[in-house]
Amino acid sequence: KQEVTQIPAALSVPEGENLVLNCSFTDSAIYNLQWFRQDPGKGLTSLLLIQSSQREQTSGRLNASLDKSSGRSTLYIAASQPGDSATYLCAVVIQGAQKLVFGQGTRLTINP
Amino acid sequence: KAGVTQTPRYLIKTRGQQVTLSCSPISGHRSVSWYQQTPGQGLQFLFEYFSETQRNKGNFPGRFSGRQFSNSRSEMNVSTLELGDSALYLCASSLGRRQGQETQYFGPGTRLLVL
Repeated sequence: KQEVTQIPAALSVPEGENLVLNCSFTDSAIYNLQWFRQDPGKGLTSLLLIQSSQREQTSGRLNASLDKSSGRSTLYIAASQPGDSATYLCAVVIQGAQKLVFGQGTRLTINP
Repeated sequence: KAGVTQTPRYLIKTRGQQVTLSCSPISGHRSVSWYQQTPGQGLQFLFEYFSETQRNKGNFPGRFSGRQFSNSRSEMNVSTLELGDSALYLCASSLGRRQGQETQYFGPGTRLLVL
């Protein structure tokens, strides 16, 4: 059974810092890994999708990497801003199924 | 392009009642998935519909059911509501052509409170 773990559960940093969020998964047989952000009481916003054949993806100040063999992904946020405060979720898609398996998320707070 | 829309946004029901939630996918998307989000269990997959057929199913009891119409809009029904069904219900859509390999776009969710 695929399990996804995100560490840390919560993170608070001052504005301007670069930071890394971690995600690990137990079964390397995945189609892709997706990072989302969720603002309180809202739906999910897709940030980055990394296909299983890729090593990383970049969008603006965000960079996500994937190491399928070790079952790890990281989301790097450069020059953090208060507007980045949200819960960040990673999810993997199991091969053969249109089904996202989510981690519990990292609640990020950027302090002005 | 309009995003994924869900109605209603909020619902209050009592135990034993049933409820129907609606999801309209992004235009052109034919796959619709449903997820339940609770503080204790996090986000869990309910089911996925593609071209009016259930293509994937999660581990939820039969009280949870869904359907998809020819215009790709989907409904989810929960019968005999229990207190534990209180949650944020999210739907997501994608093109559906390459199962498991496409970005999924989420709606704002329906928050259900069961009293």
